[in-house]
Amino acid sequence: QSALTQPASVSGSPGQSITISCTGTSSDVGGYNYVSWYQQHPGKAPKLMIYEVSNRPSGVSNRFSGSKSGNTASLTISGLQAEDEADYYCSSYTSSSTLGVFGGGTKLTVL
Amino acid sequence: QVQLVQSGSELKKPGASVKVSCKASGYTFTSYAMNWVRQAPGQGLEWMGWINTNTGNPTYAQGFTGRFVFSLDTSVSTAYLQISSLKAEDTAVYYCARGDGNYWGQGTLVTVSS
Repeated sequence: QSALTQPASVSGSPGQSITISCTGTSSDVGGYNYVSWYQQHPGKAPKLMIYEVSNRPSGVSNRFSGSKSGNTASLTISGLQAEDEADYYCSSYTSSSTLGVFGGGTKLTVL
Repeated sequence: QVQLVQSGSELKKPGASVKVSCKASGYTFTSYAMNWVRQAPGQGLEWMGWINTNTGNPTYAQGFTGRFVFSLDTSVSTAYLQISSLKAEDTAVYYCARGDGNYWGQGTLVTVSS
C-alpha cells in the first residue's frame, strides 16, 4: 500500500511552533478519525504522541496537538524544545485489508 | 506496568529462517491485537500487519505475504514473527507494538549477511 505523504524535514527555533502535515486519501486519513502520530529518537522505539487525530496519551506534553482537515492530518508542536528534535511519523487506519499505513516520516530539527 | 520485551539481535545467512519473540506483561494479552512494524537501516517505519490475539488470525500488509508468519502462544503472552528464506533486504529492526500503538517493544535487529 502507498505510504502517507509527509514532508521530509521541518525545522524551527526553540520556543517557536511548527506543523507537520500528513496527506492521505479518503480510504485512510480522510475516511476515519484514526490518525496517530509517533516520535522516534535515534536508536529508540517509536513513542505514541497523538491518537485518534487529536488525543494525547497520558504523560505527553500539551505542547503537542493534532488535527485533521479532509485528507490531511497535522501535528503541531508549540514552544519547541531541544528534546523535540526527532523523527515524526503519522499513521492511519485504512480500508485496505492491511488496516494500517505509515507516513514516510519527517525529521524535525530544532535550530 | 505494561511491557513488551523482544528477543535479542540475530545474525543470519541468506536463505535461513529467524523467529523473533515479543513477550507482553502488565495487561491482559488477549485484550489487544499485536502489530508488527519493520524499519530498515536509515529508513522509515513500515507496517507489516497484525495478529488478532483472540483468534490467532493474522493479517499481512502488501510485501509481507509468503515468507512472513505471525503467531502466538497465549499461555505465555508472547507473539512471534517468523521470517523464512531470508534475504539481505530483510536486514532491519523489527518492532512489535500493542494494538493501540501505546506500547512498543524495544526492537530486534535482524541482520542477513553471508
